[in-house]
Amino acid sequence: GDSVTQMEGPVTLSEEAFLTINCTYTATGYPSLFWYVQYPGEGLQLLLKATKADDKGSNKGFEATYRKETTSFHLEKGSVQVSDSAVYFCALSDRGSYIPTFGRGTSLIVHP
Amino acid sequence: EADIYQTPRYLVIGTGKKITLECSQTMGHDKMYWYQQDPGMELHLIHYSYGVNSTEKGDLSSESTVSRIRTEHFPLTLESARPSHTSQYLCASSGIGHSEAFFGQGTRLTVV
Repeated sequence: GDSVTQMEGPVTLSEEAFLTINCTYTATGYPSLFWYVQYPGEGLQLLLKATKADDKGSNKGFEATYRKETTSFHLEKGSVQVSDSAVYFCALSDRGSYIPTFGRGTSLIVHP
Repeated sequence: EADIYQTPRYLVIGTGKKITLECSQTMGHDKMYWYQQDPGMELHLIHYSYGVNSTEKGDLSSESTVSRIRTEHFPLTLESARPSHTSQYLCASSGIGHSEAFFGQGTRLTVV
């Protein structure tokens, strides 16, 4: 079945540091890929997405590129802020069931 | 802004009580989902629906039940709450194909 593996956290960074959160996936079809963010006490909200190979999703300074050859969708940001502290989920939606499959989440803590 | 709403946001209830967690969306989405989120952040799919009169159990065994009588409404019911049901419950919906999921703000349930 489909699955998503993302790096374990917490990831602790200083403000303005570079961020990478790794995500790899396994899918039977040709999925769409997503990154969601969850702030404390809230539900998840979409951060960015990509629907086909080599697509780059971007939003709020975050980027991720759909790499079919390495089945990866790593999240990056050049300069993190304290306000980026949250939990980040990598996810896919595959043709067939279309049910979203989530990774376990990575907590990001950014210190001033 | 996502148009999906969960009530209540917080609920403390005694063991053995019957409870219903409400979830409504105004986007006309056919697919709806319930996830249970454990303290380690991981999301577990407990129920999903592809449309009116369609309900299926998810990956995580749950003693809860759901109904889908109207497109916009997907309530979750626990007939007899137990302390093991204490968790965060997240409702989500998605549109056609493998589009992104929209989440409610969640219900934090505590059973004492």
